[in-house]
Amino acid sequence: GENVEQHPSTLSVQEGDSAVIKCTYSDSASNYFPWYKQELGKRPQLIIDIRSNVGEKKDQRIAVTLNKTAKHFSLHITETQPEDSAVYFCAASRGEYGNKLVFGAGTILRVKS
Amino acid sequence: GAVVSQHPSWVICKSGTSVKIECRSLDFQATTMFWYRQFPKQSLMLMATSNEGSKATYEQGVEKDKFLINHASLTLSTLTVTSAHPEDSSFYICSAPSGQNPRDGYTFGSGTRLTVV
Repeated sequence: GENVEQHPSTLSVQEGDSAVIKCTYSDSASNYFPWYKQELGKRPQLIIDIRSNVGEKKDQRIAVTLNKTAKHFSLHITETQPEDSAVYFCAASRGEYGNKLVFGAGTILRVKS
Repeated sequence: GAVVSQHPSWVICKSGTSVKIECRSLDFQATTMFWYRQFPKQSLMLMATSNEGSKATYEQGVEKDKFLINHASLTLSTLTVTSAHPEDSSFYICSAPSGQNPRDGYTFGSGTRLTVV
């Protein structure tokens, strides 16, 4: 089955700096890669996603890159703000209806002001 | 957009009792529902996949007789934790595909914090 590895487990950055979180996946049939932000005790919130026919996607300060050959994808947050502090999860799925979503271990991001 | 309503949001129960968690899709039909468990400071681990009108599929290591899943209609899936023990204390969260198109992504319930005392 699918296995998603995520690094780093914790990341501290200074406000205004960039943060990068990386994930690798094992199932070459996976083609949907979302990123979620989760605050304590809350449901995961989708912040950006990418599909295998796209190499990069950007939404304001957030971007995701995908290297399908190497089976890895990354989340980039620029101009970080204290409110970006949270746990971030990458995930992977084959993308068809009914296919399960497998999560990475998570990254605790701390933005210091 | 698609909404999954999950209840209760938190529950405290005594060891040995059973607890039922419900997830309802409010404005769409969810023929599939995924059930996750999340221990503190850990990731969401898939426990099982329920499909309307058929038996659930459990992930390796998850006891199907302990975690009973029922998906009796297109809008309701339930997870019952039977004979709960303190080690079952966790955050349980459901998720469903938001639509038939893969671009629709997944919708999550708000989660249930289960504490077994």
